[in-house]
Amino acid sequence: EPEVTQTPSHQVTQMGQEVILRCVPISNHLYFYWYRQILGQKVEFLVSFYNNEISEKSEIFDDQFSVERPDGSNFTLKIRSTKLEDSAMYFCASSGLQALTGELFFGEGSRLTVL
Amino acid sequence: GQSLEQPSEVTAVEGAIVQINCTYQTSGFYGLSWYQQHDGGAPTFLSYNGLDGLEETGRFSSFLSRSDSYGYLLLQELQMKDSASYFCAVRSGGYNKLIFGAGTRLAVHP
Repeated sequence: EPEVTQTPSHQVTQMGQEVILRCVPISNHLYFYWYRQILGQKVEFLVSFYNNEISEKSEIFDDQFSVERPDGSNFTLKIRSTKLEDSAMYFCASSGLQALTGELFFGEGSRLTVL
Repeated sequence: GQSLEQPSEVTAVEGAIVQINCTYQTSGFYGLSWYQQHDGGAPTFLSYNGLDGLEETGRFSSFLSRSDSYGYLLLQELQMKDSASYFCAVRSGGYNKLIFGAGTRLAVHP
């Protein structure tokens, strides 16, 4: 069964460093998303991406964040200068027409720890 | 603003039935989804209601009342493996983003 894959599964970085989290969405999907979840808290929307551009972003997604779909398969989230409060699990999700019925397909997540 | 309210914790025994409620206030509403998340895992889709009424998928059912801005997830014949967090999520705005509630942690005991 096709699945969303994310790398790395865990990254530890120093405050102020740049981090790139990578995702390979399901191949025929059209909508791509990044969410984050601070330990024990809710899943928070960061950004949605469609037709090779950002379609919507939350107030969390400030100038430190960027997304890119550099080729036909990868979808990346870059955090330019990490802060302690960026420590969280970052989930990539994708969907096709299933998005119209509220179904997103999530990867297993990348745990980011900022020291 | 947007808000979703659901209980933080529910406890039940194996074989029982449990209902997890969700009330929402959002600008723009297209439907209510439910997701399950085991500790350390990815959220996985359970159910969706775009219209009022009950949707049944095996042991799980979900209900929506748009006029009351309210929905619930009903889990029947509980099993130990159902111990997880359950999130309601509103499909809101364009491009089908989901806004999640804070989650309900369900503990199933023997």
